[in-house]
Amino acid sequence: DARVTQTPRDKVTEMGQEVTMRCQPILGHNTVFWYRQTMMQGLELLAYFRNRAPLDDSGMPKDRFSAEMPDATLATLKIQPSEPRDSAVYFCASGTGTGGYNEQFFGPGTRLTVL
Amino acid sequence: AQSVAQPEDQVNVAEGNPLTVKCTYSVSGNPYLFWYVQYPNRGLQFLLKYITGDNLVKGSYGFEAEFNKSQTSFHLKKPSALVSDSALYFCAVRDFGSGYSTLTFGKGTMLLVSP
Repeated sequence: DARVTQTPRDKVTEMGQEVTMRCQPILGHNTVFWYRQTMMQGLELLAYFRNRAPLDDSGMPKDRFSAEMPDATLATLKIQPSEPRDSAVYFCASGTGTGGYNEQFFGPGTRLTVL
Repeated sequence: AQSVAQPEDQVNVAEGNPLTVKCTYSVSGNPYLFWYVQYPNRGLQFLLKYITGDNLVKGSYGFEAEFNKSQTSFHLKKPSALVSDSALYFCAVRDFGSGYSTLTFGKGTMLLVSP
């Protein structure tokens, strides 16, 4: 049963520290998404990759967030420096084809708490 | 940009009764509409989608959704609710806001099914 995996599942850190979240998309999927979920804002798209190339990261605060795909089996989302307002659940999702047509498969999420 | 609205934060229904979770959309062009479900501490799971064709779409776990173009709605339905259906439900629409095809999600509706 193919699944998207994310590590860590939970992360507690102090303001100003660097946070790196990792995602392993389902093998063969060529699109990867990073979302952030909060009670206030709901589910927000942060970044979108297709065939490892970043297509859209307009949802990310550029000064502190960065997203990369070093290879087809790994996507990373980095926050440096972290702030309390970054506390949220971060989801990675993968899929095939174009992002708005086919099903997206979500990972279990990383719950980030910045103190 | 395309958008969806879920007018109810929470829907309560008794087990065995029919359920409806509402979604309305605003798009330019043909709408591509989706429903996802999120169980506690889990990522979102795809339920069903409407791209074209029959206005009644059948999906996973006995759920179905009715596309109504004149009312710009895509309500999620199930004839007989189960306690295990209790979860957070998201409506989503294909969006081209960034120039690329992605999904824009609604705020979510919490469904609570009582025994």
